[in-house]
Amino acid sequence: KQEVTQIPAALSVPEGENLVLNCSFTDSAIYNLQWFRQDPGKGLTSLLLIQSSQREQTSGRLNASLDKSSGRSTLYIAASQPGDSATYLCAPENYGGATNKLIFGTGTLLAVQP
Amino acid sequence: GAVVSQHPSRVICKSGTSVKIECRSLDFQATTMFWYRQFPKQSLMLMATSNEGSKATYEQGVEKDKFLINHASLTLSTLTVTSAHPEDSSFYICSANLAGPGETQYFGPGTRLLVL
Repeated sequence: KQEVTQIPAALSVPEGENLVLNCSFTDSAIYNLQWFRQDPGKGLTSLLLIQSSQREQTSGRLNASLDKSSGRSTLYIAASQPGDSATYLCAPENYGGATNKLIFGTGTLLAVQP
Repeated sequence: GAVVSQHPSRVICKSGTSVKIECRSLDFQATTMFWYRQFPKQSLMLMATSNEGSKATYEQGVEKDKFLINHASLTLSTLTVTSAHPEDSSFYICSANLAGPGETQYFGPGTRLLVL
């Protein structure tokens, strides 16, 4: 059974800092891994999707890496801004028979102080 | 980008009533939709996978007679919480695949359910 852990659980940084969010998962037989952002009381916004054969993906100030064999992924946010404040969730997609499943981590609550 | 909507966004009901939540893919067809539940300060937990034209697949520990799922068309799935109780109060979120397994899931805005 896939278990996903995210560290740290919460993070508060001043504006402009570069930061790293960590995600670890126990079952490395994944199809891909996605990073999402969730604002309070809202749904999820997909940030990056890394296929199992890839090592990293970049989108703007975001860079996500994947080390499937060790069960780890990191999300790097460059030059953080107050608008980046949200909960960040990682979710590896595991084979689930006819349909794959996303298993979500516990999330990292990020607060960027102006 | 692909858009998924949910209705209602918020519902308050008395204990014992049934509540129906709709999930729609607005600009694409989704053969598979997913229903998640999120309790305060916790992560999303997959409840069931909704397949168009067939029975939903429920995760272990989720009562299929309690949470009725209907996926009657390629753009609509509904979740009905039957005889809701206060412990069913939660944030319910649906998602849909644009192009099948392995592709990005697009999430609805969620439905906040409060059972009094």
